[in-house]
Order: sequence, then structure tokens, then C-alpha cells
Amino acid sequence: GAVVSQHPSRVICKSGTSVKIECRSLDFQATTMFWYRQFPKQSLMLMATSNEGSKATYEQGVEKDKFLINHASLTLSTLTVTSAHPEDSSFYICSAKRQGARETQYFGPGTRLLVL
Amino acid sequence: DAKTTQPNSMESNEEEPVHLPCNHSTISGTDYIHWYRQLPSQGPEYVIHGLTSNVNNRMASLAIAEDRKSSTLILHRATLRDAAVYYCILNSQGAQKLVFGQGTRLTINP
Repeated sequence: GAVVSQHPSRVICKSGTSVKIECRSLDFQATTMFWYRQFPKQSLMLMATSNEGSKATYEQGVEKDKFLINHASLTLSTLTVTSAHPEDSSFYICSAKRQGARETQYFGPGTRLLVL
Repeated sequence: DAKTTQPNSMESNEEEPVHLPCNHSTISGTDYIHWYRQLPSQGPEYVIHGLTSNVNNRMASLAIAEDRKSSTLILHRATLRDAAVYYCILNSQGAQKLVFGQGTRLTINP
């Protein structure tokens, strides 16, 4: 099956610092990756769509200068939360679509971010 | 994106079948019906998807109404590990993103 990993699985940081989260497709090439955020007891909210080699497309209300996304290769996308604040504490989840596939997305295990 | 409606929660017993309903009265002809589930503290997991015909795989079955305005995810024999939030999502052919609703929280009683 298709496997997507995320690193780190959990991170605690001080307010004002930046945190980078990696998302990797381990056994397939992903032309498109997605980043979601999930607050406790809520559903997943799509933050941005990331295509390899091009700029990410952000959903309405998501600050692109605060949530920097880089998709430099077909197997790696990174999300950097810049100048993190306590309200950015959340569960961040990435997903990836196989190159050539139109439907199924494969999700990573998520990264829990706690900003103190 | 076309909207889906699911019950907030359902409860079932171990080793019994579970039928999870989803209404999607505004579905268009190119919308696929996807089901994902999310176990506690994990990322979502693909379960099944279909367009018009019923679908079966090792995890579940998907029964799609003839008018496609509703569908039902069927877990044939629930286990405790099936306790999760189940999301029914419509996705147009070729569309990039999935839009998650609130889903159905399934509790399995031993």
C-alpha cells in the first residue's frame, strides 16, 4: 500500500519560534500533497494544496506568509509554521496523491504541535 | 463542493454489521463518493469509493442508491478497531482536494 510519513510526530515549541513539519511519500511519487489542520473535536480543515515544483494554493483565510509550504521533490513537502503562537497549536496532517491517480489520497499519521 | 449529511454518532456491537448512512442530495454526475475513517490521534485512512455501482473491498462495502442521492457504508462484522470517525466525501472526477464534513463517530461496544 501507499505509505505517507510525517516528522516529527509531536513538537513543543516556544511562542515566536518557527517549526518545520515534513511529509514524505515513502513508496510512491506524489505530484500533489495537501496540508490539513485539525483542532480538538473538530473535522479536518484543508489549509493548502501543494504541487511539486510550483507555489502552493492556499485556502481562504490561511495566511501564506505564516504557513510556508515547499514541495521541492515528488516525495517531500514541508510545512513551516513561522512565528508560532499558542493559537497555532493543533494537529497537522498531510496527504498525498499518487502520480497519475485521480481519486484516492493517502494520509500521514499527523503532527501534534503545542506552542507554549 | 457538494455537501454530505451524516449522523453525528452511531453505536454498534462487536461482531455485528454496521450500516453508516450518508445523504448527498445535491450530488452531480461526475462526483465520486469517498469514505475515509480516522482513528483516534491518527490521520484519516481511505476506506472505499464508488461512482454508481456498489463496491466491495476487504475493509467494507459501499451501497449506492439508484438515484445516487444517498449511500451506505457497510462494515460486515465490526471489531473494536473499527471505532473511528467515518467521513463521507464527494469528489468530482479530476478534482484535487477533499473537503471533510463532521463525519459520524462510530462506537463499538464489546
